[in-house]
Amino acid sequence: DTGVSQDPRHKITKRGQNVTFRCDPISEHNRLYWYRQTLGQGPEFLTYFQNEAQLEKSRLLSDRFSAERPKGSFSTLEIQRTEQGDSAMYLCASSRGGGLNTEAFFGQGTRLTVV
Amino acid sequence: AQSVAQPEDQVNVAEGNPLTVKCTYSVSGNPYLFWYVQYPNRGLQFLLKYITGDNLVKGSYGFEAEFNKSQTSFHLKKPSALVSDSALYFCAVRGKGRDDKIIFGKGTRLHILP
Repeated sequence: DTGVSQDPRHKITKRGQNVTFRCDPISEHNRLYWYRQTLGQGPEFLTYFQNEAQLEKSRLLSDRFSAERPKGSFSTLEIQRTEQGDSAMYLCASSRGGGLNTEAFFGQGTRLTVV
Repeated sequence: AQSVAQPEDQVNVAEGNPLTVKCTYSVSGNPYLFWYVQYPNRGLQFLLKYITGDNLVKGSYGFEAEFNKSQTSFHLKKPSALVSDSALYFCAVRGKGRDDKIIFGKGTRLHILP
C-alpha cells in the first residue's frame, strides 16, 4: 500500500495526558498537512510542511499542539495536556508541492477520545 | 485570508435528476480548486481539480465542476444522480503566497432520494 498511513487509528486517553500521532506520507510527496475534523464538519487546517520546514501553524491552534517532520518524510503531531475539547479525528494528507498534480491524498485518520 | 464557502448544509435530489453542490472561494492569486467526497466512516477521497485550462473539469464517478473566475465559484455537478452518490462533499482551495495551503469548506451533505 503506497497511500498515506496514520498510526494509531484510535487513541483513548485521560484528560491531562500527552499523546503523539504519526503520519507516513506518500513517498514522493514533499508537502504534508495536518487537519482536525469533528463529526459532520469540514477538515480544519492545523499546520503544514514543505519537506522538513513547517510553513504555517494555524493561529487557532493552542501552544499545546506541536508538529514535526524532522527528515522531510514522516511527521508527528503531539498534543500536550489533552482536554476533552481535543476529541476529534486527526487527519494527515500529503501532496506534491506544485505543478499540475497538487491535490492532497488523505490517510484514514487517528480518532482521539479524551475522557 | 483564504476561505471557502459551501452555502448549503444539505442538498436533496431525486435519483436520476441533475445535481449541483455550490462552492465559492476567496484566495490570493490564481486558485487551485478541489472537490473531495467522504462516505460514512471513510476517509476523504479526491474527486476532481481545477488547476488551469478548461473551466469545465471532469472527475471520478461522473462528476464535473465548473470554474467561474468572475463569480469566484467552483460548483460540483452531475447530470444524473445515483443513490450511491449520497455522501458528504467538501470543496477546497489553494492559492499563492500566504494562501499557499489547502483549506476546506464546511461540507455539504448530498442526499439522493430513491
